Amino acid sequence: GAGVSQSPSNKVTEKGKDVELRCDPISGHTALYWYRQSLGQGLEFLIYFQGNSAPDKSGLPSDRFSAERTGGSVSTLTIQRTQQEDSAVYLCASSRGGGYSNQPQHFGDGTRLSIL
Amino acid sequence: SQKIEQNSEALNIQEGKTATLTCNYTNYSPAYLQWYRQDPGRGPVFLLLIRENEKEKRKERLKVTFDTTLKQSLFHITASQPADSATYLCALSFEGGGNKLTFGTGTQLKVEL
Repeated sequence: GAGVSQSPSNKVTEKGKDVELRCDPISGHTALYWYRQSLGQGLEFLIYFQGNSAPDKSGLPSDRFSAERTGGSVSTLTIQRTQQEDSAVYLCASSRGGGYSNQPQHFGDGTRLSIL
Repeated sequence: SQKIEQNSEALNIQEGKTATLTCNYTNYSPAYLQWYRQDPGRGPVFLLLIRENEKEKRKERLKVTFDTTLKQSLFHITASQPADSATYLCALSFEGGGNKLTFGTGTQLKVEL
């Protein structure tokens, strides 16, 4: 498709389980970002991939969170041993890369994660 | 602490009027400021980007100003329409920051007939 695709759109799981969220960026975009949006909160940066460079993981809230990007395209965000405070909408975005700070980001519609 | 503040209360205006949304920040020196629109259940959609050395930028009915002395951006929608009803987010990025964005909490705009 033409836009950023995320799956699943909704995920309900029990506390303590692991979850994987997938993001398929726009073709040709070398930069990929993960954000989290909790109810009533702004988007919170989690992690950023740019080409073959080491990812910027500075926003990951704990070591239960990890992400990878295979082949410079699809990315997976993994949350281990989920907690109720992990409930949020997880948004993925991509942009033309180069590491510059002036590129618009194109967002998917997110995965709504609910931890019971 | 670092903060980006947007009007926390919803803004209701009449169709045809100009909507003005504010974004204030403290303890940042951003290189760029971006505005996004977000509809319920959807991801944000990019609207405009303005650089720190630009005072104003326009796109169709939209206008953004950026005052780095006041640490404030204003976002205007002229001749507003009910279809403009949405949440509007401002976001900052920084030179050397690799384009990761720091977002405000957003302002909900409702344009009434």
